[in-house]
Amino acid sequence: NAGVTQTPKFQVLKTGQSMTLQCAQDMNHNSMYWYRQDPGMGLRLIYYSASEGTTDKGEVPNGYNVSRLNKREFSLRLESAAPSQTSVYFCASSEETGIYGYTFGSGTRLTVV
Amino acid sequence: LAKTTQPISMDSYEGQEVNITCSHNNIATNDYITWYQQFPSQGPRFIIQGYKTKVTNEVASLFIPADRKSSTLSLPRVSLSDTAVYYCLVGDIKRDDKIIFGKGTRLHILP
Repeated sequence: NAGVTQTPKFQVLKTGQSMTLQCAQDMNHNSMYWYRQDPGMGLRLIYYSASEGTTDKGEVPNGYNVSRLNKREFSLRLESAAPSQTSVYFCASSEETGIYGYTFGSGTRLTVV
Repeated sequence: LAKTTQPISMDSYEGQEVNITCSHNNIATNDYITWYQQFPSQGPRFIIQGYKTKVTNEVASLFIPADRKSSTLSLPRVSLSDTAVYYCLVGDIKRDDKIIFGKGTRLHILP
């Protein structure tokens, strides 16, 4: 009954370092999403994957890359972290694009110094 | 994508019914209205979704007038644990891959 699992929960990076945020869902959902949430800004869509093998840009894709490794896993990569990428990152999944609502993970709090 | 407008914050008291209204004047024919709840340090949680008239589940009710230009999330007899941010989303759930979250309504329940 795990739902959407994100790792790590917390991370501190130095400017210029790279890292990959991992996300896995066990609900056999087709669609997966990456959002970032900054204080007072709501959630902003970074990238999404409507189905295995496809990815597309959201509102704020610059500085990020994604990989839909298989149906279960959708990773987000920061190639060269910047302080502006300090945020809380949420992964979500849905059975189809938005239908029945999204299930979110518990988030990764990333600080870039 | 239909833009939504909702109050930035609201206060209410335990035991009261809380109604949060969302405006979406340019809602499209195929758009649905979905509400999410987010507690601090957690991801948003789906509450309810509707297209027209009234939808009710064990958590909330959603009222949508005939013109669909607004919707109201109704939380019956709130408790302190209902303190959260509530997001109203509008989009074509069968097509839109880019459903947008706004800033939401910060609901604060007082004892």
